[in-house]
Amino acid sequence: QVHLVESGGGLVKPGGSLRLSCAASGFIFSDYYMSWIRQAPGKGLEWVSYMSSSGDTIYYADSVRGRFTISRDNAKDSLYLQLNSLRSEDTGIYYCARADEGRFQHWGQGTLVTVSS
Amino acid sequence: DIQMTQSPSTLSASVGDRVTITCRASQSISYWLAWYQHKPGKAPNLLIYKASSLESGVPSRFSGSGYGTEFTLTISSLQPDDFATYYCQQYHTYWTFGQGTKVEIK
Repeated sequence: QVHLVESGGGLVKPGGSLRLSCAASGFIFSDYYMSWIRQAPGKGLEWVSYMSSSGDTIYYADSVRGRFTISRDNAKDSLYLQLNSLRSEDTGIYYCARADEGRFQHWGQGTLVTVSS
Repeated sequence: DIQMTQSPSTLSASVGDRVTITCRASQSISYWLAWYQHKPGKAPNLLIYKASSLESGVPSRFSGSGYGTEFTLTISSLQPDDFATYYCQQYHTYWTFGQGTKVEIK
């Protein structure tokens, strides 16, 4: 059974940093592309970043490019998102998801990031 | 960038109703469209992929159709568990979600 568990969220001041983690189990992690998606309070879903199975292909949404960095450790079955230069508009729930031919077939429960002074 | 526009934003319906949600892409995305159901505090759930393929384990009352720029999600007979927010998502060029359609109890 596919299981994705995010962690690392919390309260951070504007301009601060956080590192989110996503622990995967129940499937061969190194075979799959992975992604981060977020949801601001009262808003819809927004795709954030995407990484290929080997890590050699990476995409970012314009809203986070240059501030966020996606990475993975296939030996640890884990996906990461480094969040730098955080802004109030980055506040929200961050989900990791397993991608299958581009669609997001499995999602974690999410971790909450709050950017506030 | 490809923009996705859903309508309506909110839909009030009763158990047993047939419900249709529309999603329009700003340019052709072929059949690279997915639909998700999302409930507060839960992980989003994939319902439909490639515009009309039903994800494994999803009830057959859910169906999708469309190609190019116009797509629909239909729930043939609304059940109590179906009150949620629904999102379309294109995956033709990067990934973009629609703004969501909240299905409420009438």
